[in-house]
Amino acid sequence: DAGITQSPRHKVTETGTPVTLRCHQTENHRYMYWYRQDPGHGLRLIHYSYGVKDTDKGEVSDGYSVSRSKTEDFLLTLESATSSQTSVYFCAISVSLAASTDTQYFGPGTRLTVL
Amino acid sequence: ILNVEQSPQSLHVQEGDSTNFTCSFPSSNFYALHWYRWETAKSPEALFVMTLNGDEKKKGRISATLNTKEGYSYLYIKGSQPEDSATYLCAFYSGNTPLVFGKGTRLSVIA
Repeated sequence: DAGITQSPRHKVTETGTPVTLRCHQTENHRYMYWYRQDPGHGLRLIHYSYGVKDTDKGEVSDGYSVSRSKTEDFLLTLESATSSQTSVYFCAISVSLAASTDTQYFGPGTRLTVL
Repeated sequence: ILNVEQSPQSLHVQEGDSTNFTCSFPSSNFYALHWYRWETAKSPEALFVMTLNGDEKKKGRISATLNTKEGYSYLYIKGSQPEDSATYLCAFYSGNTPLVFGKGTRLSVIA
């Protein structure tokens, strides 16, 4: 258990509403990631962070923004949710400070449904 | 975008059978190759990380090999059990971008 929690674990929302998902770690690790899981696509990287206020885009970043104001928290925001953003969202952390292998450990996931 | 391919996409085997699947990745800018095990309704769990050509790793009945020159890794499961049913993901690390995951091989072991 790498000390990662995600909240909420489940959420149902309506198209056009803003949604924020939270990832919290107790390990003080530098690297944090947000993925989405969809059938036929495996895990796809949305955004990642390599330090407080340092973030970068992943493969599927359109429609998402992130913020990291503290080492332990990485927030994923859907400014205006769409049905195509219905998915399971996983947060991950990298335990290697040098990221020499980038072994990642995953949170329990958040299931988001956009109606 | 780096391309990581896994085959087969899915696999059904009988309990007791041995099986293997493949991960193909770019042979240039190689830093590490990861295998993860992902059970339904859970989160992916790290199985192995390999960094050197020729590496072999083993955990119980599961083992993995690595060929960085030709860009492939094999995952082997000996004597499959129902509890081995999961999706097995590989992920490639090039050193300057985060892990790139394959789409996984979904294994079902029938008792």
